[in-house]
Order: sequence, then C-alpha cells, then structure tokens
Amino acid sequence: DSGVTQTPKHLITATGQRVTLRCSPRSGDLSVYWYQQSLDQGLQFLIQYYNGEERAKGNILERFSAQQFPDLHSELNLSSLELGDSALYFCASSVGENTGELFFGEGSRLTVL
Amino acid sequence: QKEVEQDPGPLSVPEGAIVSLNCTYSNSAFQYFMWYRQYSRKGPELLMYTYSSGNKEDGRFTAQVDKSSKYISLFIRDSQPSDSATYLCAPLSGGYNKLIFGAGTRLAVHP
Repeated sequence: DSGVTQTPKHLITATGQRVTLRCSPRSGDLSVYWYQQSLDQGLQFLIQYYNGEERAKGNILERFSAQQFPDLHSELNLSSLELGDSALYFCASSVGENTGELFFGEGSRLTVL
Repeated sequence: QKEVEQDPGPLSVPEGAIVSLNCTYSNSAFQYFMWYRQYSRKGPELLMYTYSSGNKEDGRFTAQVDKSSKYISLFIRDSQPSDSATYLCAPLSGGYNKLIFGAGTRLAVHP
C-alpha cells in the first residue's frame, strides 16, 4: 500500500459527460501528480501541484482541469468526455516538488461509452 | 522523436534467467534515471534509481547508465515468477521538471 488513495476505482460514463477523480496523497506529501495511462500512449504526465500551486503541465487537454485543495487532496475534472478519454488515471504524490520518487495510487479506471 | 524509447516486449523468460531491460533517451540534461515496476492492475512503484553514469546494485537488480550513448539498462539476476510485471524507465533532469516514463517492457518469468 503506497498510502495514496484514489476514488473512484472504476467509472463508466457516456460521451459528453463530466467526471471528477479524487486523490488523497500520502501523509506529509506536498506534491500531487496526475498521469493518464492508456494501451497505446503509455503513462503520460498531465499536471503537477505543489502545496496548492500548479507546478508543471504536460499534455493535458483543455477539457481537463485539476486543483489541489488546502488539505492537499487533489481533484482531476474531465469534461465533454470522448471515447478516447477511456484510460487509467493515476495520482501520485511526493514529499518534494522536484523528485523522481513518486508514490502512486492504484488508479481510477475510466470507461467512456 | 520521443524523449524516452523503450521496447514494450513482451519478454518471456524461464525462471532463473538473467533479464536485460533497456531504454534510450534523447535529452542530455537527464541526470537521474529511475526504474519503476508495475504489477497488473496496480500503480507503478519505484524499484531503484541511479544518478549520472555508472552502475547501482540492489539485491538481484542492477541499474546501469551510459550517458555517452544515452542508454539505460536494468538487469535482473536469477529471475523469479514474482518479477513478472511491466518495467518502466523514467529519466529526470536535475532542474525542475516532470518525470517522463518510457512505454514500459512487459516481462513474464515462467516456472
């Protein structure tokens, strides 16, 4: 158990809908990262927050947004969903903001029908 | 050209074999080289990492970096069925940056 909690574990929704994925980092970790993993794209970095502030952005679509709250949990919002958004979404956390030692949750599997 | 290239496999070996997993990268600014292991239906977990060039050993695992050729390797000695997983390389630059993952190589060790 990495100590990172993600909910929900599975989510099935329809195209055009909006969903919110939630992540609670390990106790004491200030950085939260979101990654998308699909079969054809591998593990793709979306966005990083450190202590509530956005720190780095990857190939995150404009339809996606995220935030980190004062209690350090984070949410990833996915809107106007398309079939191609079906993937595993991982949250990871770390103590610092520039480190390769990330602790990953077990992921939220999103299926868009 | 992708920043990190990794053969996705799958790689199937018998128990006890020596396994070699490899990545190449293009960004010469990378200084830290991480290896993550991901079991099926789980999140990746950090296995080990090296800094700059050279070797690092941890039990049955050895990580090797050759910065001159931008080549990263992970060797597994006396492979076990429990080593069956996807192995992802992930280099990182020393300055502020995001961790980039390779595609991952799926390894199956059969008894």
